[in-house]
Amino acid sequence: GENVEQHPSTLSVQEGDSAVIKCTYSDSASNYFPWYKQELGKRPQLIIDIRSNVGEKKDQRIAVTLNKTAKHFSLHITETQPEDSAVYFCAETGGGNKLTFGTGTQLKVEL
Amino acid sequence: EAGVTQSPTHLIKTRGQQVTLRCSPISGHTSVYWYQQALGLGLQFLLWYDEGEERNRGNFPPRFSGRQFPNYSSELNVNALELEDSALYLCASSHRQFLGEKLFFGSGTQLSVL
Repeated sequence: GENVEQHPSTLSVQEGDSAVIKCTYSDSASNYFPWYKQELGKRPQLIIDIRSNVGEKKDQRIAVTLNKTAKHFSLHITETQPEDSAVYFCAETGGGNKLTFGTGTQLKVEL
Repeated sequence: EAGVTQSPTHLIKTRGQQVTLRCSPISGHTSVYWYQQALGLGLQFLLWYDEGEERNRGNFPPRFSGRQFPNYSSELNVNALELEDSALYLCASSHRQFLGEKLFFGSGTQLSVL
């Protein structure tokens, strides 16, 4: 895939609220969709991923949903905490090819 | 188990110079990926090496090149540095079972071109 759009670019929520970040892709061959979290000054780390044969995946407070027909996928964070503050990147790939990343969302969780 | 390691952590060069960045993947990982993270531009794919071969290349000029050694470590070379090459260069590795997926990133090399 060559194009991944990510929205919003910045997101501010109150502690305890939910946060949703959305990505759209263009390559119908894409079949793997990970999300990475990058805290300030640190390396990006994989937090959750989903494959195209699954519509939703959940891991504690984070979940990812995939709509292959509409070519979009979303990250949902519930009960946000200050340590969730970071830049989040979506990505996609198909056929064992390279990962293409979105432009990132700066999430700020305010007390 | 050691993660992906990169060296140096910081580098300052002047326009026109050449630079070599180094990366050691996680033990057992055969694939190494290089990404450029310029301020506000996200992660731009540069190069992908697997089993010593270049598998894919991003939309960067030929002065960006690299190689992978038999021990799966990798080098990224940038010739004729330009001001816009200033960025964080991230290396990542993945296991053969997850080619192009489940990337583990190093801490990066911050390159400043003056």
